[in-house]
Amino acid sequence: DGGITQSPKYLFRKEGQNVTLSCEQNLNHDAMYWYRQDPGQGLRLIYYSQIVNDFQKGDIAEGYSVSREKKESFPLTVTSAQKNPTAFYLCASSIGQARSSGANVLTFGAGSRLTVL
Amino acid sequence: AQKITQTQPGMFVQEKEAVTLDCTYDTSDPSYGLFWYKQPSSGEMIFLIYQGSYDQQNATEGRYSLNFQKARKSANLVISASQLGDSAMYFCAMREGRGTYKYIFGTGTRLKVLA
Repeated sequence: DGGITQSPKYLFRKEGQNVTLSCEQNLNHDAMYWYRQDPGQGLRLIYYSQIVNDFQKGDIAEGYSVSREKKESFPLTVTSAQKNPTAFYLCASSIGQARSSGANVLTFGAGSRLTVL
Repeated sequence: AQKITQTQPGMFVQEKEAVTLDCTYDTSDPSYGLFWYKQPSSGEMIFLIYQGSYDQQNATEGRYSLNFQKARKSANLVISASQLGDSAMYFCAMREGRGTYKYIFGTGTRLKVLA
């Protein structure tokens, strides 16, 4: 079955450590996204990528970094510069505007919950 | 300025009854898309229904329908014949324009279906 796989599901980080969240999709989607979700809030965009080797900052990119070396993969690194990284992180993908019939629906992974100790 | 507003933090509905979850939006772009997602306690976001700004008919998908009132800038989700499995968080989202990759999400409504 096609879908998005995020790992790990739960992750604990010590202060000052960088951690990387994995996101892999086998949907042949062009675009991929990382969102952060905090309790009582909606999703906020961290980074997105429309094509391989290209990505743009979202609304809350500070303290995060990404790469898009392969179409299927869009890992997110939470760096020590991120002051409040405890949150639920969701990866998503979409077919992309160029191939979309209009809706360009986001498909999400199951999420990764990061806790800073 | 908040562009997606969900004013109901929590809602209760009796099993088998219908329920409406409110969503209002704000945009000056004539081309936009509106989405509803369900987030069960497991955390994954599940796509429910989509409405394009130029769509003449209200969208429907099984027990879900979207009450789209363009002039009022509202896109309410109607769930008919509620089931216990419908208990979850529900998010309204908007994508402005066709060339953008930014989706704006509301703060969500927590729905609890009562047996």
